Amino acid sequence: LAKTTQPISMDSYEGQEVNITCSHNNIATNDYITWYQQFPSQGPRFIIQGYKTKVTNEVASLFIPADRKSSTLSLPRVSLSDTAVYYCLVGVGFTGGGNKLTFGTGTQLKVEL
Amino acid sequence: EPEVTQTPSHQVTQMGQEVILRCVPISNHLYFYWYRQILGQKVEFLVSFYNNEISEKSEIFDDQFSVERPDGSNFTLKIRSTKLEDSAMYFCASSSGTGGLNQPQHFGDGTRLSIL
Repeated sequence: LAKTTQPISMDSYEGQEVNITCSHNNIATNDYITWYQQFPSQGPRFIIQGYKTKVTNEVASLFIPADRKSSTLSLPRVSLSDTAVYYCLVGVGFTGGGNKLTFGTGTQLKVEL
Repeated sequence: EPEVTQTPSHQVTQMGQEVILRCVPISNHLYFYWYRQILGQKVEFLVSFYNNEISEKSEIFDDQFSVERPDGSNFTLKIRSTKLEDSAMYFCASSSGTGGLNQPQHFGDGTRLSIL
């Protein structure tokens, strides 16, 4: 069972790049890494997913080193509306091998003017 | 964009009572999940469901819990004999069957369960 840890909080200013790292030392071979954003009283919203190396979409990039024991979510040019909790999720829910989906501890990102 | 919908948004129940939380996953999705989030804590996996049976469950998902897909659209979580510590947000999620098991999950906005 992958145990994931993240920084509890981060502060940034509008227009800056923010990098949030998740540690998952015992990630399994079949596990994917997915990042979610959560606003108060809402469900998590998908941001990006990857297995290895680098993935980029219209809102973020995800960097995964070769050993896959960590991952870094990169948010370019954050704005006030990016203030939220960011979670990494490690695992695949249907491996049949006892893997469970493990959310990280969450990182509260606060963006200021 | 299709959404996962959950009802009710808030459920208040007396301790010891049974409660059923309802979810309507995205219509062409095949994989379904329940999670819970105790106030101020991280999201915790409860159970995953595919092809009308449980695929994976966590230690939290004991005999008090059950899931069901009673028809082609709803996915329910039943908690029997609720306890105070069951108070939490419960999130339903679904993912598509296309492209492999790693497809991202789409979450509803949750049901806040308050046990008195």
